[in-house]
Amino acid sequence: KAGVTQTPRYLIKTRGQQVTLSCSPISGHRSVSWYQQTPGQGLQFLFEYFSETQRNKGNFPGRFSGRQFSNSRSEMNVSTLELGDSALYLCASSLAAGGGFSYEQYFGPGTRLTVT
Amino acid sequence: EDQVTQSPEALRLQEGESSSLNCSYTVSGLRGLFWYRQDPGKGPEFLFTLYSAGEEKEKERLKATLTKKESFLHITAPKPEDSATYLCAVQAQGGSEKLVFGKGTKLTVNP
Repeated sequence: KAGVTQTPRYLIKTRGQQVTLSCSPISGHRSVSWYQQTPGQGLQFLFEYFSETQRNKGNFPGRFSGRQFSNSRSEMNVSTLELGDSALYLCASSLAAGGGFSYEQYFGPGTRLTVT
Repeated sequence: EDQVTQSPEALRLQEGESSSLNCSYTVSGLRGLFWYRQDPGKGPEFLFTLYSAGEEKEKERLKATLTKKESFLHITAPKPEDSATYLCAVQAQGGSEKLVFGKGTKLTVNP
């Protein structure tokens, strides 16, 4: 069974530009979550999408946005990039079948974004 | 606000020297506590989910335990290939899959 895939793996952008990252979840998984990982802050939750709807959002500015398509694939967009946006961006997918149960979440390899 | 604190930040062991990593948490109703392993430049790799106090899970040289305030990851007779950063995360009750992570423990096992 294929794992979570993320594209591109590496990206270099200039301040002020925008960027779009893509995530393909494990087949059958309906929830996709995005995280930002930096050496200082660790892994921080950006947002979660389930059946094309944003279900939760972390404490990030409105420059960070996302969406999910009908096939569960997800994209996140960062507009007006800042130097501090340099990080590893990770997505995770989960079955999330409900019922109050905690489902395993599997992470992709991440996209390393460098803003210069 | 849900919080996770991991200790120590870094741990050096000799091959075969057993030890434990600590994860203290506060959460508004625990739905699950997760342990992950992360190698440099890679995404976190799922290890365990624990759901209620008293629960234990094992995988090879790793054993995770859970109390109402802490979780421990016990590493028995570690090998150099166990070197990695170990991350703990909690998931609160509710409809979201959001995980709140600790900053991790970087484990180095010397041969």
